[in-house]
Amino acid sequence: SQTIHQWPATLVQPVGSPLSLECTVEGTSNPNLYWYRQAAGRGLQLLFYSVGIGQISSEVPQNLSASRPQDRQFILSSKKLLLSDSGFYLCAWDRNTEAFFGQGTRLTVV
Amino acid sequence: DAKTTQPTSMDCAEGRAANLPCNHSTISGNEYVYWYRQIHSQGPQYIIHGLKNNETNEMASLIITEDRKSSTLILPHATLRDTAVYYCIVRPHNAGNMLTFGGGTRLMVKP
Repeated sequence: SQTIHQWPATLVQPVGSPLSLECTVEGTSNPNLYWYRQAAGRGLQLLFYSVGIGQISSEVPQNLSASRPQDRQFILSSKKLLLSDSGFYLCAWDRNTEAFFGQGTRLTVV
Repeated sequence: DAKTTQPTSMDCAEGRAANLPCNHSTISGNEYVYWYRQIHSQGPQYIIHGLKNNETNEMASLIITEDRKSSTLILPHATLRDTAVYYCIVRPHNAGNMLTFGGGTRLMVKP
């Protein structure tokens, strides 16, 4: 069966520090991979979308970047975090039908 | 994804059926209707999807109008654990179509 792993569950980082969130998928091949962010009390904002290794679409200009070094690995990064980067970050995968989400990382930038 | 319109919030009494509407008047012939829900502080969870016919699974039923311009998600016996934000999305199955979410309906199931 397919599973998606996302870590860490919570993270507190100072302003100006780097960020690396990792997401891995098991049990499927060539998935579409997504990073979303959800600010407190707000909706899901699509940040990055990937249809294959090295193929990244950015939906919102921002302080973040994404990479897909392997078929089932998706990494969200920042060189210098801003206060506005705080939020709930979710990784997801699909194969053009139903999508499956990780449990999320709650990032607080202080 | 084509646009969908959902009420911002709804209440439902515990044990009663929750009927969540969604309008998707510009849906294309190859687009499916999907429903997800997001319980507080968790990732969204897939519920059900359909193209033209009504669908039922262990979680819910999906009723799609004949003209496909609207649909209703039915939770037959709502429980307190069904309190969540419910998202209706229309999306084709061919490659290259990103999954994006609108505002959804915040369903509050009350004792």
